[in-house]
Amino acid sequence: GQQVMQIPQYQHVQEGEDFTTYCNSSTTLSNIQWYKQRPGGHPVFLIQLVKSGEVKKQKRLTFQFGEAKKNSSLHITATQTTDVGTYFCAGPALTGGGNKLTFGTGTQLKVEL
Amino acid sequence: DSGVTQTPKHLITATGQRVTLRCSPRSGDLSVYWYQQSLDQGLQFLIQYYNGEERAKGNILERFSAQQFPDLHSELNLSSLELGDSALYFCASSSIGGTEAFFGQGTRLTVV
Repeated sequence: GQQVMQIPQYQHVQEGEDFTTYCNSSTTLSNIQWYKQRPGGHPVFLIQLVKSGEVKKQKRLTFQFGEAKKNSSLHITATQTTDVGTYFCAGPALTGGGNKLTFGTGTQLKVEL
Repeated sequence: DSGVTQTPKHLITATGQRVTLRCSPRSGDLSVYWYQQSLDQGLQFLIQYYNGEERAKGNILERFSAQQFPDLHSELNLSSLELGDSALYFCASSSIGGTEAFFGQGTRLTVV
């Protein structure tokens, strides 16, 4: 079945440093989504990328979808303590009329002052 | 607030027991998804319902079952509970034609 891996699993940075998490799918994706889960919270949708090579920005966050539509990255510039949480990528897998969203393994980000 | 409501927030029960988790999707959303999140397994897809019908199934145990009712709320039934079933159970919903999922606050199940 479809597998979605993320690296690194954990990342500790000093506030102000940049951060990048990478997502790799075993299958080609129709789109890739990114979610953020704060400690003790629930996953919150951040963005969806659809086109091959697409790049989208949200303030300090830059999302990229690979040319082969099998990988993606999230880059945060100048991290802040509010960026703390686990970042998940997720790819849909159409199965018999359903829509199974497979989540990556996640990257837990800790930001220290 | 995502608009997805889950109850209860916390549940503590003994091994061998049965529990029911409840989810109300966002207004207008027909799709409901159930996910299990444990420390070492990440977010595991369990099952999807669309307008009352099962549409996709993940690695859901036979001891687990779900249904979606005419008013679109959904219930996840977990029976013959084991210690390893302790986890966060999330419900999510999505709009017609949309693939992004909006998650509820989750139910933290502890089996003792």
